[in-house]
Amino acid sequence: DTAVSQTPKYLVTQMGNDKSIKCEQNLGHDTMYWYKQDSKKFLKIMFSYNNKELIINETVPNRFSPKSPDKAHLNLHINSLELGDSAVYFCASSQRAKNIQYFGAGTRLSVL
Amino acid sequence: QKEVEQNSGPLSVPEGAIASLNCTYSDRGSQSFFWYRQYSGKSPELIMFIYSNGDKEDGRFTAQLNKASQYVSLLIRDSQPSDSATYLCAVNRLSGNQFYFGTGTSLTVIP
Repeated sequence: DTAVSQTPKYLVTQMGNDKSIKCEQNLGHDTMYWYKQDSKKFLKIMFSYNNKELIINETVPNRFSPKSPDKAHLNLHINSLELGDSAVYFCASSQRAKNIQYFGAGTRLSVL
Repeated sequence: QKEVEQNSGPLSVPEGAIASLNCTYSDRGSQSFFWYRQYSGKSPELIMFIYSNGDKEDGRFTAQLNKASQYVSLLIRDSQPSDSATYLCAVNRLSGNQFYFGTGTSLTVIP
């Protein structure tokens, strides 16, 4: 069983569209994250949720909206997609006390 | 100043040699330190974590932490071609649970 799973793996869409990426973890962790990795491989945290509460919200355009229906799920919705949103988005989870993060396989988003 | 800095490389070592990867961080309040390996097109996977000053060994990998100098390093002994990847240093401040990754060091092990 995959510990942290993201869907879809690839997402190709036009500018201006709205899209969502889903993430689920079956590790029983209480904290989940969204990261963006750009073409230069820099991994930057976007959001972090602990027990469904938002605890980190880095400087991210408000077109990006995370939603955590429960501890095991953290979805990312993106409105009005722009070319600069093209990147690989990784979901991760951890147990807050230990802070060791486990990553999903990533979603490669291409905005045309 | 970046929170976490790494030499982007590329770093090339011959098979069987020791690869040394370095990382510095800016916040003295940082408390947890991690090394992740990322193969091209794949997700980061945890190799080592270290919380206390000194060395921590796990197989061919040794993590070294020096909080006074604010650096953490990763040594890979008997390097193998399969070790060729990008190595990401990550630092965590418990306050606010902030995680910061370095830009990664690309390592190539030459057979």
